[in-house]
Amino acid sequence: QVQLQESGPGLVMPSETLSLTCTVSGGSFSTYYWGWIRQPPGMGPEWIGYFYYSGITNYNPSLKSRVTISVDTSKNQFSLNLSSVTAADTAVYYCARAHTIGGEGRWFDPWGQGTLVTVSS
Amino acid sequence: DIQMTQSPSFVSAAVGDRVTITCRASQGISSWLAWYQQKPGRAPKLLIYAASSLHSGVPSRFSGSGSGTDFTLTITNLQPEDFATYYCQQANNSPPLTFGGGTKVEIK
Repeated sequence: QVQLQESGPGLVMPSETLSLTCTVSGGSFSTYYWGWIRQPPGMGPEWIGYFYYSGITNYNPSLKSRVTISVDTSKNQFSLNLSSVTAADTAVYYCARAHTIGGEGRWFDPWGQGTLVTVSS
Repeated sequence: DIQMTQSPSFVSAAVGDRVTITCRASQGISSWLAWYQQKPGRAPKLLIYAASSLHSGVPSRFSGSGSGTDFTLTITNLQPEDFATYYCQQANNSPPLTFGGGTKVEIK
């Protein structure tokens, strides 16, 4: 079964770029959407963006100017870059696979275990 | 953006109780709604998709209903492992995808 694992720095300086990688095991990227979701401490989840294996990407408009999601199929990995971070970007970041029905709808399963990223000097 | 409003934000219940959680969308989303369960320190787990379809492996005491703007998650015969926080997510194709504020189910 598919498993996802996030990796990357746990501490990022303000104004710098947050970079995380999600490694996918037990499955391939084809026919699925793959995404990033974050959850600030004590709050609900916030969708960041997703990509489709064909190359389509879609980002949350509130973050779009700062977000890039890229994929390295040779390593079965996809990555998140979030630039110009502030304390408001402190959160647990999750990667997840997104399911659809005939291309409609987007819901997430499974999720990685998540990684806490703190933005602080 | 489509706003998702969950109620109540907190519910106290006993083992064996029936719990109902409501999620309201700020505009119609057909049946494009998912429900998740999250325990402390863990990632959310998918329970229900397309408003009423039970995800594989999820116990049948969980059920979902609704369409348009009003949706419900019902847990019948509440079990000790069901004490957690539950989130709805609007799953409409038009971004952004958004989540509700959560409902914490605690032991009475």
